[in-house]
Amino acid sequence: DAMVIQNPRYQVTQFGKPVTLSCSQTLNHNVMYWYQQKSSQAPKLLFHYYDKDFNNEADTPDNFQSRRPNTSFCFLDIRSPGLGDAAMYLCATSRVRTGGFYEQYFGPGTRLTVT
Amino acid sequence: RKEVEQDPGPFNVPEGATVAFNCTYSNSASQSFFWYRQDCRKEPKLLMSVYSSGNEDGRFTAQLNRASQYISLLIRDSKLSDSATYLCVVNMIGYKLSFGAGTTVTVRA
Repeated sequence: DAMVIQNPRYQVTQFGKPVTLSCSQTLNHNVMYWYQQKSSQAPKLLFHYYDKDFNNEADTPDNFQSRRPNTSFCFLDIRSPGLGDAAMYLCATSRVRTGGFYEQYFGPGTRLTVT
Repeated sequence: RKEVEQDPGPFNVPEGATVAFNCTYSNSASQSFFWYRQDCRKEPKLLMSVYSSGNEDGRFTAQLNRASQYISLLIRDSKLSDSATYLCVVNMIGYKLSFGAGTTVTVRA
């Protein structure tokens, strides 16, 4: 059973044309994350939500925005994609619990191409 | 200094061999540690959490050395299907994780 679902799996957009990537989860986890991963690099955290609280990484460009309308869904909006934004975008979830391990579970990713 | 550093490899080993590699982390206050596996163009998948006493899951053994701030992963009796990139992941602040860039392992027939 799919637990973290991302749509679409592949997205092609034109330079400067806004694009929205979506993520949904059936785990009922309270934290959702968006990562950007480029070839041979570690996933780079863009931002995350703890419930409805939004947390932006200091070096995330303003071009990237996110919305979390409810526990299950989270969206990544790229307002004006540049060629440098071509990457795999990974959504992940985790459940915060006292003294626990905050392991994260990833969706299959959306591979974004910018032409 | 990077938060999590790994030897990128590649480690190229024959089937049945044992392969081991480490990663180091910078924050002595880190609380939890993981190994993830990532296949080419796929998402990272949790391989195992790393406990203070060390732990084993089948052919995989993970160790934590807090004094020297490193964790290790050992794979015994390597299979072709073990070929992947192994990401060292450390909980740095709160519930955020920091990822190493990965160690590539290639198992050859």
